[in-house]
Amino acid sequence: DAMVIQNPRYQVTQFGKPVTLSCSQTLNHNVMYWYQQKSSQAPKLLFHYYDKDFNNEADTPDNFQSRRPNTSFCFLDIRSPGLGDAAMYLCATSRGGQGSEDTQYFGPGTRLTVL
Amino acid sequence: GQSLEQPSEVTAVEGAIVQINCTYQTSGFYGLSWYQQHDGGAPTFLSYNALDGLEETGRFSSFLSRSDSYGYLLLQELQMKDSASYFCAVHNYGQNFVFGPGTRLSVLP
Repeated sequence: DAMVIQNPRYQVTQFGKPVTLSCSQTLNHNVMYWYQQKSSQAPKLLFHYYDKDFNNEADTPDNFQSRRPNTSFCFLDIRSPGLGDAAMYLCATSRGGQGSEDTQYFGPGTRLTVL
Repeated sequence: GQSLEQPSEVTAVEGAIVQINCTYQTSGFYGLSWYQQHDGGAPTFLSYNALDGLEETGRFSSFLSRSDSYGYLLLQELQMKDSASYFCAVHNYGQNFVFGPGTRLSVLP
């Protein structure tokens, strides 16, 4: 089945130790998004790629970076995780059209714990 | 700036009808989506409105009034499995999505 896959599902890292989260999709969608969701809060968009074009949200900390080496894969790099970065990280994709074509499909998320 | 407002919690009984409202302030508005999220799970798409009016998908319907910057999600024939958080999300031009704070729905037997 076509889907959005995130690995790992659970990630534990130490304060200040770089960590990379991965996302892959078999939907062949143009757009890939990264969201951060903390407990009992709404998902917050960090950035997205439209094909190879990177779009950073204005309030996304520099500590967060992303790479999209090809259509199928997108990575979230946290260069120096702090305790406040512990959260669920959600990857989503969409076709990139307007209207209902831009429905977002979410992966299962990676829960990041920072010790 | 952009902001969305939703009630934080709603409680209803099985078989009932519940309406979750969403008001928004944004620029470059294109459409309003609704997502369901169970505890520990990922958001799943429910409905989308780009034009004024009502969209119906099974037990769920969504309404949009662009002039009032207002929308709602209507859930009919509530079931226990509908207990979850529901988010409205504004889709702005340029693939910019902003989620509302979410409404936690509890369905009681």
